[in-house]
Amino acid sequence: AQKVTQAQTEISVVEKEDVTLDCVYETRDTTYYLFWYKQPPSGELVFLIRRNSFDEQNEISGRYSWNFQKSTSSFNFTITASQVVDSAVYFCALRGNTGKLIFGQGTTLQVKP
Amino acid sequence: DVKVTQSSRYLVKRTGEKVFLECVQDMDHENMFWYRQDPGLGLRLIYFSYDVKMKEKGDIPEGYSVSREKKERFSLILESASTNQTSMYLCASSLGGPGSYQPQHFGDGTRLSIL
Repeated sequence: AQKVTQAQTEISVVEKEDVTLDCVYETRDTTYYLFWYKQPPSGELVFLIRRNSFDEQNEISGRYSWNFQKSTSSFNFTITASQVVDSAVYFCALRGNTGKLIFGQGTTLQVKP
Repeated sequence: DVKVTQSSRYLVKRTGEKVFLECVQDMDHENMFWYRQDPGLGLRLIYFSYDVKMKEKGDIPEGYSVSREKKERFSLILESASTNQTSMYLCASSLGGPGSYQPQHFGDGTRLSIL
């Protein structure tokens, strides 16, 4: 079975703090893709990143970075120097051979000024 | 930019009504999806489609049906609405057909309340 677990339901930080959102996945597929999406209060899910199972290089995009570790089946997302605009629900998702995108439960991030 | 448009942001219907949720995408994507989002459960897949007139059941298809008569439009139908179908409904589209790993692009969602 495929599963994505985001153990942190809610996180609250003060602006400029760094914050890491955890994502642990389960799959028996050898080829799979992992995704992160952001859902701001407006409701639309915004695609942030896609990673395939053969590429374990960490990625940085501005204040965002992602750490993919196959050994621990984790794909964690770090926001550096958080800002109020980062407040949103963040979803991690897995796409394996079933053709379906399996989402975690989501982590609500609140960044306070 | 990809645009996925859902016909209503908020909708209130009564138990037993037939409800139509419409979704249109403007990027000629082959794949379209319907999800519902509930607190603590994340997003769950209801139905999806890889081509016109094709449909596949997702994880929670009971009580729903879909229609895809044109490539750009994917409709979700609640045959006889019930209160447990009160939820946020999200439509998505992606490029490429059944084997695609392309990211899905989402609409703004429809918050549906069944009274």
